[in-house]
Amino acid sequence: ELKVEQNPLFLSMQEGKNYTIYCNYSTTSDRLYWYRQDPGKSLESLFVLLSNGAVKQEGRLMASLDTKARLSTLHITAAVHDLSATYFCAVDMSPGNNRKLIWGLGTSLGVNP
Amino acid sequence: DAGVTQSPTHLIKTRGQQVTLRCSPISGHKSVSWYQQVLGQGPQFIFQYYEKEERGRGNFPDRFSARQFPNYSSELNVNALLLGDSALYLCASSFGTGQFQVGYTFGSGTRLTVV
Repeated sequence: ELKVEQNPLFLSMQEGKNYTIYCNYSTTSDRLYWYRQDPGKSLESLFVLLSNGAVKQEGRLMASLDTKARLSTLHITAAVHDLSATYFCAVDMSPGNNRKLIWGLGTSLGVNP
Repeated sequence: DAGVTQSPTHLIKTRGQQVTLRCSPISGHKSVSWYQQVLGQGPQFIFQYYEKEERGRGNFPDRFSARQFPNYSSELNVNALLLGDSALYLCASSFGTGQFQVGYTFGSGTRLTVV
């Protein structure tokens, strides 16, 4: 069964510095998602990565996908307080037509001044 | 345009009771998925429905059931509630199914507390 591992699970960042979150998964998949969740809130879509080598950027966040290594990274450039949240990667499993998302445990980010 | 709407937002139930949660997808979206998120964990897949048919079921007991209506809205039912059912229940809406299912938009969720 597919397993999705994120690390680190907790990250205390300093404003202005760069950080990377890693998402490893155990079986083949053709699409991967990154979501953000603020405390007590729902899930906000950040990126959809659909192919090997895909790279997407939005503001200070950049996500990439290496399907051969079964690895996705979320890179944070020059962290700011507004980025404090929990970030999840989710791998799309497709047993036939029945797609479902398998989620990591999430990475809780805090930004210190 | 309205996003994914879920109701109620919060619910408190007693062990052994039954609960029904509701979800309306984005207009034009025919696929609805349900996820359970226990505090401090990632969401767990419960069901997916497309065109009123069940297309996937996660590893949840038979106490959990769902259905989708002709207008593509959906209900999740949980019978004989246990304390461990306390969680945030999330509904996700997407346009297609299979290889055409790209992108999931989540509702705000229903927070269920079982006492």
